[in-house]
Amino acid sequence: AQSVTQLDSHVSVSEGTPVLLRCNYSSSYSPSLFWYVQHPNKGLQLLLKYTSAATLVKGINGFEAEFKKSETSFHLTKPSAHMSDAAEYFCVVSNFGNEKLTFGTGTRLTIIP
Amino acid sequence: SAVISQKPSRDICQRGTSLTIQCQVDSQVTMMFWYRQQPGQSLTLIATANQGSEATYESGFVIDKFPISRPNLTFSTLTVSNMSPEDSSIYLCSAQTGEGYEQYFGPGTRLTVT
Repeated sequence: AQSVTQLDSHVSVSEGTPVLLRCNYSSSYSPSLFWYVQHPNKGLQLLLKYTSAATLVKGINGFEAEFKKSETSFHLTKPSAHMSDAAEYFCVVSNFGNEKLTFGTGTRLTIIP
Repeated sequence: SAVISQKPSRDICQRGTSLTIQCQVDSQVTMMFWYRQQPGQSLTLIATANQGSEATYESGFVIDKFPISRPNLTFSTLTVSNMSPEDSSIYLCSAQTGEGYEQYFGPGTRLTVT
């Protein structure tokens, strides 16, 4: 079985300050992990993915995430928030060899001007 | 990667009717999926659309309610049958290209049932 827990349903940060969105996962096998972003009334966009290569993964728009097996975590970070980062973010897990994705409940990121 | 389009983008339907949603991918893909996103919630997998065979449904979803077709490697349809207001959701299709396990998503179909 596989699951993800997004620890915060809502995060607010000021523009220009760091962003941290937290995600813990549970997986029976070597997981693949993803972060997706969904802007209001838009489809889902892949931000980044981890598939057992480097543990620090860089994605689009300055986001990165670190896979920590000992902590079963895959937190998403960005050094400096921009107004355009305001969106819903989903942490997603897939077991190795299993095509199905399991989505977290989402974290709504609000950027304060 | 893959570019995915869906039709219609939104619709308002009366209860008891059916709606068919189309999903088109710009390249041949190994796997296609259908998801439901209820208002303010996360995504739930409805089924895997298998090319040339019956779809594989997740627990809580049945073929009579959500028949799926996948006639080739670039196209799939999802029908929401005998609709009720509880079916009001965003329905999204996705495709997996086989290069990794990431999926690429269509823009979604926003369905309102009155």
